[in-house]
Amino acid sequence: GENVEQHPSTLSVQEGDSAVIKCTYSDSASNYFPWYKQELGKRPQLIIDIRSNVGEKKDQRIAVTLNKTAKHFSLHITETQPEDSAVYFCAATPSSGYALNFGKGTSLLVTP
Amino acid sequence: GAVVSQHPSWVICKSGTSVKIECRSLDFQATTMFWYRQFPKQSLMLMATSNEGSKATYEQGVEKDKFLINHASLTLSTLTVTSAHPEDSSFYICSAGGQGRGEQYFGPGTRLTVT
Repeated sequence: GENVEQHPSTLSVQEGDSAVIKCTYSDSASNYFPWYKQELGKRPQLIIDIRSNVGEKKDQRIAVTLNKTAKHFSLHITETQPEDSAVYFCAATPSSGYALNFGKGTSLLVTP
Repeated sequence: GAVVSQHPSWVICKSGTSVKIECRSLDFQATTMFWYRQFPKQSLMLMATSNEGSKATYEQGVEKDKFLINHASLTLSTLTVTSAHPEDSSFYICSAGGQGRGEQYFGPGTRLTVT
């Protein structure tokens, strides 16, 4: 089945710096790659997503890039703020169905 | 739009008892719903895919006789944890499939504690 690897597992940055989280996937037929932010005890919140026919997508301080050849995609957060501190999960949709396979998550800490 | 609710938000039960968790799509019809389990400091693990009017599809390693899923209508799916044990204590999250492939709307989750 689809395997999604996510790195790093923890990331600490100073406020105002950029943060980058990377994921790789195994199923070349995957075509939907969302990123979720989850705060403690709450539901995952979709922050940005990208489909396989697009190489890059940006929404204010958040951007996602996709390299289909290398089968990896990355989340970029610029001008980080303390409220960006949370766990971030990448995911990919396998060709076999509609369910999402999640990466193991990255705990991001933004220090003032 | 695309609001998914779960009930209860938290539940404590005794070992050996059964617990039912409801997942509802409030403002749209969901042919497909998903059930995930999340242990502390871990990722979401898909347990099963629930399709309205048919049997759920369980992921490898998930006991279908222990985690009973019913999706009797386009707005409601239920997960029943039967004969619960302390190791079943976890955060259970449902989601409903959106229009596009892969899009999912998550419920707020249910914290289950088995004593």
